Amino acid sequence: QKEVEQDPGPLSVPEGAIVSLNCTYSNSAFQYFMWYRQYSRKGPELLMYTYSSGNKEDGRFTAQVDKSSKYISLFIRDSQPSDSATYLCAMSGNAGNMLTFGGGTRLMVKP
Amino acid sequence: GAVVSQHPSWVICKSGTSVKIECRSLDFQATTMFWYRQFPKQSLMLMATSNEGSKATYEQGVEKDKFLINHASLTLSTLTVTSAHPEDSSFYICSALTLSQETQYFGPGTRLLVL
Repeated sequence: QKEVEQDPGPLSVPEGAIVSLNCTYSNSAFQYFMWYRQYSRKGPELLMYTYSSGNKEDGRFTAQVDKSSKYISLFIRDSQPSDSATYLCAMSGNAGNMLTFGGGTRLMVKP
Repeated sequence: GAVVSQHPSWVICKSGTSVKIECRSLDFQATTMFWYRQFPKQSLMLMATSNEGSKATYEQGVEKDKFLINHASLTLSTLTVTSAHPEDSSFYICSALTLSQETQYFGPGTRLLVL
């Protein structure tokens, strides 16, 4: 079993839909949680960064962390075709430690 | 936001040659940089952790003599693929850790094709 599980998709939604992306993990030591967006043939771009449990909102993006369930989510409101990309969750136990990545979910937003 | 660059963005080389990839943090200093490898439709695989002024730490299964890493300054790390072979063809991505050590920022990646 992988340390971080993420549905690979692809997830196809119509423009304007609310998108929910999720990861589950097994290592209770993880405290730092990140979501990256990666366009094809590009490096990952940091979208959201959360420490410990709770919610964080930035524009159309909301990240949620539930450490008791070992479950993290990224919500995208009013999704746009430009949001079409692969979304990677990542986490670490201590600040500055190596990241453990999920496999990525490919999202397609259709106009 | 923090910017990380990589050079070259893509390279094609003959089997047996060596290729150097540079990773630079443009607007911040990074004592730690990471090198990843990514195959098509797969997630990132950590190859090594590069610390400024010291030897890199390699992940299990990664040959340190084949993938030479040098982190000579707080803004530059290099990865040299020595005696490259077709199986080394991949997308190589670096990331840099901010001094606050909270987040990693990734470079745009270098696509290597070994013929």
